[in-house]
Amino acid sequence: AQSVTQLGSHVSVSEGALVLLRCNYSSSVPPYLFWYVQYPNQGLQLLLKYTSAATLVKGINGFEAEFKKSETSFHLTKPSAHMSDAAEYFCAVIINTDKLIFGTGTRLQVFP
Amino acid sequence: DGGITQSPKYLFRKEGQNVTLSCEQNLNHDAMYWYRQDPGQGLRLIYYSQIVNDFQKGDIAEGYSVSREKKESFPLTVTSAQKNPTAFYLCASSVVLGNQPQHFGDGTRLSIL
Repeated sequence: AQSVTQLGSHVSVSEGALVLLRCNYSSSVPPYLFWYVQYPNQGLQLLLKYTSAATLVKGINGFEAEFKKSETSFHLTKPSAHMSDAAEYFCAVIINTDKLIFGTGTRLQVFP
Repeated sequence: DGGITQSPKYLFRKEGQNVTLSCEQNLNHDAMYWYRQDPGQGLRLIYYSQIVNDFQKGDIAEGYSVSREKKESFPLTVTSAQKNPTAFYLCASSVVLGNQPQHFGDGTRLSIL
């Protein structure tokens, strides 16, 4: 069965620190991978997507993610956290179907 | 600007009542989706539609119904058969069904009176 796992439901960092949000998928075929961000009481906004063109994907707001096939991972990073990055982040995958499967989300807190 | 509009933002349902959530898009997208979001569970697919007059059940369709009479509209009805309707409902669309990013509305929060 295809699935996506986000390790850590909550992550806290200091402003200016590295942000690392983890995402692993299970699939025997190449997936399409996405990261979305959700601010309170709003919909989801696409941060970036992996569609096999390049393993390092740059997104909006300074975020990037690296597809590592050997580790079946697609972790989201940002070199320096900003207070405005506080939100919930969702990893999602499409594997051989038309359906987007979401992880359970990681809530990022940024402390001054 | 193109986008997805969901209304109302907040909705209250009485016992035994059906309620309808509106979703309209002006992105000219063929595919539309409804998700339910509960704390700690991510998003779960309720129904999706590939094209006008066609829709398919998602993972948690019981107690819900949809229609797709127009390309831009995909309303969701939460029926009295849905015993635990309190949740945040999100509508999304994509250019076509498949490996395309989905664009989301701002959601409707449904609560039970």
